[in-house]
Amino acid sequence: DAGITQSPRYKITETGRQVTLMCHQTWSHSYMFWYRQDLGHGLRLIYYSAAADITDKGEVPDGYVVSRSKTENFPLTLESATRSQTSVYFCASSLGVRTDTQYFGPGTRLTVL
Amino acid sequence: EDQVTQSPEALRLQEGESSSLNCSYTVSGLRGLFWYRQDPGKGPEFLFTLYSAGEEKEKERLKATLTKKESFLHITAPKPEDSATYLCAVPTGQNFVFGPGTRLSVLP
Repeated sequence: DAGITQSPRYKITETGRQVTLMCHQTWSHSYMFWYRQDLGHGLRLIYYSAAADITDKGEVPDGYVVSRSKTENFPLTLESATRSQTSVYFCASSLGVRTDTQYFGPGTRLTVL
Repeated sequence: EDQVTQSPEALRLQEGESSSLNCSYTVSGLRGLFWYRQDPGKGPEFLFTLYSAGEEKEKERLKATLTKKESFLHITAPKPEDSATYLCAVPTGQNFVFGPGTRLSVLP
């Protein structure tokens, strides 16, 4: 009954390092999403996935890479972290179509020094 | 450009003092308007989905309504535990656009 989980919950890294944020859902939802939340910008969509091996860009995809080899997992990788990527990252999932209700994970607070 | 705005940015109420939060949107072909509650340090929690003008939904002290251009979240006799940030969102094209939120504080 875990729902949707994210790890780590907190991460501090340095500029230029690669970082991977993990997202796992137990509902077998088709769609999964990655958002970042920043003061003054609200939640912004980074990438989303309609199913395993199907991903697409959202509003702010630059500097991020995603993959989805299994339905339940949707990792987000920052290939070379920058300070502007300091943010709170939320993963979400929805059952069927992209416009279904989205259910969010608890978030990962990432700080890039 | 598709846009979602919310007002006020912040709202302080005394316990029991009813009020409304506003969510205005400019999208073509509305495919649902979603309300979420977000507590500090947590992910947004789903509250309601509205699909057509005139639709209303209720949950405890909250009632959401929808017109062609905006949605209201009415809070009746709020309690301190209703304190949170309330977000609205609409699906548009390839995105799911969220408003900036209204930060509600209910004082005992």
